[in-house]
Amino acid sequence: SAVISQKPSRDICQRGTSLTIQCQVDSQVTMMFWYRQQPGQSLTLIATANQGSEATYESGFVIDKFPISRPNLTFSTLTVSNMSPEDSSIYLCSVSDVPPGNTIYFGEGSWLTVV
Amino acid sequence: KQEVTQIPAALSVPEGENLVLNCSFTDSAIYNLQWFRQDPGKGLTSLLLIQSSQREQTSGRLNASLDKSSGRSTLYIAASQPGDSATYLCAVGPSYSSASKIIFGSGTRLSIRP
Repeated sequence: SAVISQKPSRDICQRGTSLTIQCQVDSQVTMMFWYRQQPGQSLTLIATANQGSEATYESGFVIDKFPISRPNLTFSTLTVSNMSPEDSSIYLCSVSDVPPGNTIYFGEGSWLTVV
Repeated sequence: KQEVTQIPAALSVPEGENLVLNCSFTDSAIYNLQWFRQDPGKGLTSLLLIQSSQREQTSGRLNASLDKSSGRSTLYIAASQPGDSATYLCAVGPSYSSASKIIFGSGTRLSIRP
């Protein structure tokens, strides 16, 4: 199994500011993903964080709004830029060793509220 | 396009009852199916993973079944306890091995009454 640590766990942010979420895994993993879960909704994949190259974004998500870094096989960051109240969500980091054959593990999530 | 549905959206039962949560998917060409538990404001905890070649998986009081041909999976919880109260999500992994594309259901919010 993989243990995933996310920071911050919760934050209240001012409109127009940016916040970076960190995701640290206790082992080297091939695939890291960032999800968003808006209030009362299920999970939506934002992007796949690729080690050593640009992230692969899903439809509706762009790099300017959600820049992602993946400097090595155990760490990734997601920045939510120029935040608005619509960005109030839980942001979740997840990992998988083999896409998508193995168990998917999630961090505890980062609950952002934009005021 | 794969769609994953979970019915009911919410369920409340008294403590001690056995219960079944349902998950259906429209495309039977899946690689695996995973059940998760999510407590309010928290991340997801993996409960059970069923590969496409398997029919069921068991862990303690939990049993998950998979019927690919009918596009259904069930999560059976025996002797429910108040601590089982949470949202339960199922997620389907596609049959191709490219990027993720795991599809989540919208979840069933379970409440166990003491």
